[in-house]
Amino acid sequence: KQEVTQIPAALSVPEGENLVLNCSFTDSAIYNLQWFRQDPGKGLTSLLLIQSSQREQTSGRLNASLDKSSGRSTLYIAASQPGDSATYLCASTSGTYKYIFGTGTRLKVLA
Amino acid sequence: NAGVTQTPKFQVLKTGQSMTLQCAQDMNHEYMSWYRQDPGMGLRLIHYSVGAGITDQGEVPNGYNVSRSTTEDFPLRLLSAAPSQTSVYFCASSYEAGVGNEQFFGPGTRLTVL
Repeated sequence: KQEVTQIPAALSVPEGENLVLNCSFTDSAIYNLQWFRQDPGKGLTSLLLIQSSQREQTSGRLNASLDKSSGRSTLYIAASQPGDSATYLCASTSGTYKYIFGTGTRLKVLA
Repeated sequence: NAGVTQTPKFQVLKTGQSMTLQCAQDMNHEYMSWYRQDPGMGLRLIHYSVGAGITDQGEVPNGYNVSRSTTEDFPLRLLSAAPSQTSVYFCASSYEAGVGNEQFFGPGTRLTVL
């Protein structure tokens, strides 16, 4: 059974810092891995999707990598801003059509 | 293009009442799913559908029913509400589950069962 873990559960950084969020999964036979952002009281917004054949995806200041052999994905945020404060979630899917989510990392960027 | 819509946004029920949470998408997506989000538990899959007429159970299906009579709609029914079903419910869709398909989420329904 796929399990997805995100560590740390919470993170505070000063504005301008580069940071890395971690996502670990137990079943390397994933189809894809997706990173989301969730603001308090809101739904999930898709940030980046990495297919199993890819190693990374980039969008603006965000870069997500995927290493299936080690069961890890990282989300790199460059030059963090207070507006980046949110909870970041990763999710993966394998052949069972079930997306499994991590419990998220709550990020606070201090001005 | 409205994406994924959910109604209602908020709902309060008494124990034992039944209700239906509505979910619709206008992107012609085959795959739709329902999650509940509880503090410290992350999102957990309740039911999913890979196409009209096809549904299956997720991690936490007990107490919930679904049907998929059209591609667009995927309602979630609470048969007899219990306080343990107090949660935020999200509906999601993607072109199909599997390789390279991005999930899109609705804004959520916040349900309280007294």
